[in-house]
Amino acid sequence: NAGVTQTPKFRILKIGQSMTLQCTQDMNHNYMYWYRQDPGMGLKLIYYSVGAGITDKGEVPNGYNVSRSTTEDFPLRLELAAPSQTSVYFCASSYKGMNTEAFFGQGTRLTVV
Amino acid sequence: AQTVTQSQPEMSVQEAETVTLSCTYDTSENNYYLFWYKQPPSRQMILVIRQEAYKQQNATENRFSVNFQKAAKSFSLKISDSQLGDTAMYFCAFALYSGGGADGLTFGKGTHLIIQP
Repeated sequence: NAGVTQTPKFRILKIGQSMTLQCTQDMNHNYMYWYRQDPGMGLKLIYYSVGAGITDKGEVPNGYNVSRSTTEDFPLRLELAAPSQTSVYFCASSYKGMNTEAFFGQGTRLTVV
Repeated sequence: AQTVTQSQPEMSVQEAETVTLSCTYDTSENNYYLFWYKQPPSRQMILVIRQEAYKQQNATENRFSVNFQKAAKSFSLKISDSQLGDTAMYFCAFALYSGGGADGLTFGKGTHLIIQP
């Protein structure tokens, strides 16, 4: 049982480049989330989705885009990478909102230089 | 908007001791959920314990228990008989009851707990 899988685990981007962080879950969860964790800080919500075809902005959505074409996948796209996007990114899923137990991926450490 | 505050950036205790991590929060809502998540060096976020605000009884999971004081908006985590494997960052988090927490969690900045042998 893989749970929530994120790829890649590490990535270095140059300013202005674009990339997609992949997230897949095999638990048939409707709810999926993207968070970022800056050094010394807690996680902040970027985007979330309550089901295929439905996405919504979280606290810090600027500079990111998401799509949810299937229940399993919730990719996060960075357009025109900036140093401020250097962070660790976590994908999470839950059965019925984050009032229930959320399962997290192992994170992607992204550095923009 | 909700805020979560963890005032202890780092704590260190000896193995087998009991340690309490503090968390306060601010909300105008009456119904919500509170959580403690553990993040070991592997970066994996792991749910430790969960408390529903409408329940007066404090949640307990084996060596982990909480002291939930709703009026004071306080939610501390007690770890009894601490073990080396408890070394990790601990995050306090909040989710609204309405909507089932569909719009995600609000996290504190975390407390780095070190268990010394």
